[in-house]
Amino acid sequence: GESVGLHLPTLSVQEGDNSIINCAYSNSASDYFIWYKQESGKGPQFIIDIRSNMDKRQGQRVTVLLNKTVKHLSLQIAATQPGDSAVYFCAENRAGGSYIPTFGRGTSLIVHP
Amino acid sequence: GAVVSQHPSWVICKSGTSVKIECRSLDFQATTMFWYRQFPKQSLMLMATSNEGSKATYEQGVEKDKFLINHASLTLSTLTVTSAHPEDSSFYICSANWGRARDADTQYFGPGTRLTVL
Repeated sequence: GESVGLHLPTLSVQEGDNSIINCAYSNSASDYFIWYKQESGKGPQFIIDIRSNMDKRQGQRVTVLLNKTVKHLSLQIAATQPGDSAVYFCAENRAGGSYIPTFGRGTSLIVHP
Repeated sequence: GAVVSQHPSWVICKSGTSVKIECRSLDFQATTMFWYRQFPKQSLMLMATSNEGSKATYEQGVEKDKFLINHASLTLSTLTVTSAHPEDSSFYICSANWGRARDADTQYFGPGTRLTVL
């Protein structure tokens, strides 16, 4: 089964700090991983993705790290801003075929000004 | 960028009634649409995958007779919650894939519909 459907853990940071959000995925056969941001009352918004043949990928202020050995994914946000406050979900793709994400456990990020 | 809309954004209904939620891709044709349900402070759970012109594929544990999905065109999918009960109260989110999407950046999520069943 998937590690979803649990109450959300919370990460509180000060504005300007770096944030690290962690995620454990369940399926060792998954080959594609994605981070989403969801603001209250809205649908998820794509942030960054990474394929299993990589262990690091950088975007604008965000970096995703993938450790396939321990099935761990992390999202690093540099210089966190109040607008980054949201729930962050990792998702893994079922191997093969079209993109159908399975969402993992979310983390609520609270950025204090 | 591509936009997916949902209507209504929120709905309140009485127990036993049916509610229809629409999901539209506004500026692209979506070969596949997905329906998710999200309870407060929980993750998104995939309910079903819908392909235009064919029957939806439901996830295990999702009652197809209760959650009717119709994907009549490449820009519209509807979810009907039949005989709604308070436990069906949730946030329903759709998403649409552009073309033969194999990447997350070609899947677009709607803003969600908040359903409250009294």
